[in-house]
Amino acid sequence: EIVLTQSPATLSVSPGERATLSCRASQSVSSHLAWYQQKPGQAPRLLMHDASTRAAGLPPTFSGSGSGTDFTLTISSLQSEDFAVYYCQQYHDWPLTFGGGTKVEIK
Amino acid sequence: QVQLVESGGGLVKPGGSLRLSCGAAGFPFSDYSINWVRQAPGKGLQWVSFINTAGTTIKYADSVKGRFTISRDNAKSSVDLQMDNLRVEDTALYYCARGEVTFEFWGRGTLVTVSS
Repeated sequence: EIVLTQSPATLSVSPGERATLSCRASQSVSSHLAWYQQKPGQAPRLLMHDASTRAAGLPPTFSGSGSGTDFTLTISSLQSEDFAVYYCQQYHDWPLTFGGGTKVEIK
Repeated sequence: QVQLVESGGGLVKPGGSLRLSCGAAGFPFSDYSINWVRQAPGKGLQWVSFINTAGTTIKYADSVKGRFTISRDNAKSSVDLQMDNLRVEDTALYYCARGEVTFEFWGRGTLVTVSS
């Protein structure tokens, strides 16, 4: 199975600053990578698919990049509602797998 | 709007069984594949099972293969997950999620606790 490793586990950022989250795959997943946001007590929300395509309604402050084994989710200017846990997920092969998550917390 | 509502969770002893259901509304159910994804308390997300629109393609995570069975009834707009021979490590919040290989809409989940 394809293992996804996210780093860092926790990212402390001040509001208005930029956050850069990393996701590395154990083998190439081409561009078959999605990102999700999960807030406490809520279901995850799809943010991005095909590595860099924003879900409907997602502001352009969120951007995704990468292909192959290395991917990045960037939040250009963190708002209060962006503090959450972020997961990457590959759909290049079954079983579908998630990374362990990056918690973005207020510095 | 799109709604997915899970039910059937509860407390069960190791080796026991539960049947989860996912009811859908607000979209043409028979046009969409459905997945189950679980999240152990305080942990990350784990994909569990997939069923396509017609119920002809089914997939499972290795950790549940042979113990869990997914099925759907398009007339009732529902997907079930029959869980047998439950283990302590199956304890989690179980979400149903719409999508082929990404999860565009999620329910709020139903909690399964396996404990003696």
